[in-house]
Parts: sequence; structure tokens; C-alpha cells
Amino acid sequence: AQSVTQPDIHITVSEGASLELRCNYSYGATPYLFWYVQSPGQGLQLLLKYFSGDTLVQGIKGFEAEFKRSQSSFNLRKPSVHWSDAAEYFCAVVIKAAGNKLTFGGGTRVLVKP
Amino acid sequence: SAVISQKPSRDICQRGTSLTIQCQVDSQVTMMFWYRQQPGQSLTLIATANQGSEATYESGFVIDKFPISRPNLTFSTLTVSNMSPEDSSIYLCSVSGQGVTGELFFGEGSRLTVL
Repeated sequence: AQSVTQPDIHITVSEGASLELRCNYSYGATPYLFWYVQSPGQGLQLLLKYFSGDTLVQGIKGFEAEFKRSQSSFNLRKPSVHWSDAAEYFCAVVIKAAGNKLTFGGGTRVLVKP
Repeated sequence: SAVISQKPSRDICQRGTSLTIQCQVDSQVTMMFWYRQQPGQSLTLIATANQGSEATYESGFVIDKFPISRPNLTFSTLTVSNMSPEDSSIYLCSVSGQGVTGELFFGEGSRLTVL
């Protein structure tokens, strides 16, 4: 069965430090890939997406993600986190053969220390 | 991007009652989706609501428990019927982006607590 895995449930990072969130998927074909952020008490906001082309994609709020086909990964990075980056981050994939449905990973909660 | 408004934003409900959540979009959209996010969990798709046809439910979700209406291209409702504490969740409405497969825009969600 198709799945999206975010291995880290929680990550604590100091303000100003770099951040990397892992995402792996298990599909035969290359899916469409997304990262969403959910701030406390808020809905989900799209950070960035990958469909094809350049494997390093830039998103909003200074985030970027790199698609690595060989590793079936789409990790999210930010060089220097801000206190406002404390939130829950969800990786999501769409497989066209599965009816274009968006499947979410379990999420990673990011805590930012002063 | 679409602007999505959900009502209520939160509610506390009694066991055995039903609650209807409304989702209003500021533009016409073909596909609307309803997700459930249980406490501390990720999002699970409940159903896809298309205007003019019956909603399509995912495995584990049934129409009797989660009836959905889609009267036009900007509005949908989800009813959570005969609620139990296990239905305490955030329910999110989402719509697909224009011409972009899989990209979804979300409302802020409706947080339901069932006592």
C-alpha cells in the first residue's frame, strides 16, 4: 500500500539554527509532492510543491525541499529558523494512478527554543 | 489561491447529537474535500464532494455517519451524526487549486469536542 512516512514526530531546534524535516514515500512512480504547515489553531498552508523538473524547489517563508528519486525522499529545509516556524509540518503526496488523492504523512511537530 | 471559511470554528457537543459544518469558498471550485484530523494525528480524507452528484467516501467512512451536501460550486456541508467522544476531531474543508493536480487549499477547520 502506498504510504508517506515522516520519521520524526518531534524536533526541537534553537532559533537561528538550521532545520531539516524528513519525508519518505513508497510508490512505484514519482508522485506529486507537497509540504504543508499547520500553525497552532490554524488550517494548513502550502509551503511548496514538486511536480517535475528541478529537484530543488523553493517555497514560502524561506523553506526549500529537495526531491531525491533514488531515496524516495522529499526533505524540507530551512537555513535559519524563526520562533514563528514553530508548527506542525506535513508531507503529502498525490499519485495520479490513485485518483489524484492527497495522502498525508503523520506530521512532524517543530518546537523552537529561544 | 481560494479563501475558505468554515463554521463553526469550534463547538462542544453532547453525545448522540449531530452537528453540521459549513464550508464556503470565495470562488467556484469543482472538487471539495472533507478531512478529519484526530487529536495529535495527521489528516485523513473522509470524502470528496462534487456538485451535482453523491459524495465519494473513503474506506471507513459512510454516508449515514457523515452525510455531505454540495448544493453549488462554492458551498458544502458535512454533518457528523450521532456523535460519540471518538468523533472529537478537527474537520477541515479543502478545495483543489486551479489546474494544479493535488494542490489543496484548506479552511481553518472546525474543532469539535464531544462530551
